[in-house]
Amino acid sequence: KQEVTQIPAALSVPEGENLVLNCSFTDSAIYNLQWFRQDPGKGLTSLLLIQSSQREQTSGRLNASLDKSSGRSTLYIAASQPGDSATYLCAVVSNDYKLSFGAGTTVTVRA
Amino acid sequence: DADVTQTPRNRITKTGKRIMLECSQTKGHDRMYWYRQDPGLGLRLIYYSFDVKDINKGEISDGYSVSRQAQAKFSLSLESAIPNQTALYFCATSDNTPNTEAFFGQGTRLTVV
Repeated sequence: KQEVTQIPAALSVPEGENLVLNCSFTDSAIYNLQWFRQDPGKGLTSLLLIQSSQREQTSGRLNASLDKSSGRSTLYIAASQPGDSATYLCAVVSNDYKLSFGAGTTVTVRA
Repeated sequence: DADVTQTPRNRITKTGKRIMLECSQTKGHDRMYWYRQDPGLGLRLIYYSFDVKDINKGEISDGYSVSRQAQAKFSLSLESAIPNQTALYFCATSDNTPNTEAFFGQGTRLTVV
């Protein structure tokens, strides 16, 4: 059974600081890994998808890396803004096509 | 219109009542999923379906049932609701190819009193 862990559970930084969010998974046989953003009481918005053959993926201020062999992914958010405050979820698609989620990291960016 | 639509968005129901949550999608995807989200626990898979004739239990299927009425529709039922089924429920879809994004509905907030 795939287990996904996200550390830390919560993070508070001043505006302008870079954010580093970690995700680890126990079974390296994955198809892809996806990072989502969730605002309070809202649905999930897809941020980045990294295929199993890729090492990283970038979109604007966001960069996600993937080390499949060690079961780790890191999401970097450069020059954080108060609008980046949200919960960030990591999910892996295993070989059975099921998405397994971490519990998320709740980010607060202080103005 | 949203790609994945869930109805209702909010629902309060009494213990013992039957309730159905509905999900429809316009993505043309074959794969559909139901998750529940509880504070501090992330999203947990209830049921999933890879096509109209395929239904599979997830990690927490007890107390739930599903129906895949068409490629675009996937419903989740609570036959006899209990308070610990109070949660935020999400429907998701994905394509058959493994390296495509999953898309989520806006969620249904269910409260069982």
